[in-house]
Amino acid sequence: DVQMTQSPSTLSASVGDRVTITCRASQSISSWLAWYQQKPGKAPKLLIYQASSLESGVPSRFSGRGSGTDFTLTISSLQPDDFATYYCEQYNSFSRTFGQGTRLEIK
Amino acid sequence: EVQLVESGGGLVQPGGSLRLSCVASGFTFSSYAMNWVRQAQGKGLEWVSGITGSGADTFYADSVRGRFTISRDNSNNIMYLQMNSLRAEDTAAYFCAGYGTGSLGAWGQGILVTVSS
Repeated sequence: DVQMTQSPSTLSASVGDRVTITCRASQSISSWLAWYQQKPGKAPKLLIYQASSLESGVPSRFSGRGSGTDFTLTISSLQPDDFATYYCEQYNSFSRTFGQGTRLEIK
Repeated sequence: EVQLVESGGGLVQPGGSLRLSCVASGFTFSSYAMNWVRQAQGKGLEWVSGITGSGADTFYADSVRGRFTISRDNSNNIMYLQMNSLRAEDTAAYFCAGYGTGSLGAWGQGILVTVSS
């Protein structure tokens, strides 16, 4: 099974900051990677699919890069609504795997 | 509007069974693979099971293989998760998710399953 290692586990930042979250796959997954945002008590929400494609309705301050084993999610200028937990997910195989999550908190 | 609504959760004793349902609307259900994802309280997301659009192929996480069965009824736009031999570690919120080109573009609100005596 493909293992996904996400870092950092917690990130403290301020409104207006540029932040980057990293996800590494244990083997190549091509570009079959998605990023999700989850707020407490809510279902996850798709932000980015196929490593770099922005889901419809998601603000352009979110961007994704990478292929193979190394991927990043960048938020260019943090807004108050962005403080949440973020997960990467590989779907290269039908046995999907999520990263451990990154909790983005207000500094 | 794409919508997924889960039902069937609740409290069950260890070793017991439960069947979850997920009713889909707003899209051509049979065209999309669907999945179940769970999340224990305070923990991360764990993929549980998936099924292709036709229902011909099913997939399971090692943690549930042999105990859980995924199925779908494309005539009525419903996906199911039959959960047998439940354990305390199966306690979690269960989400149905799908409607994406591989990724999970739509999620239900989640349904709580508690396994306890």
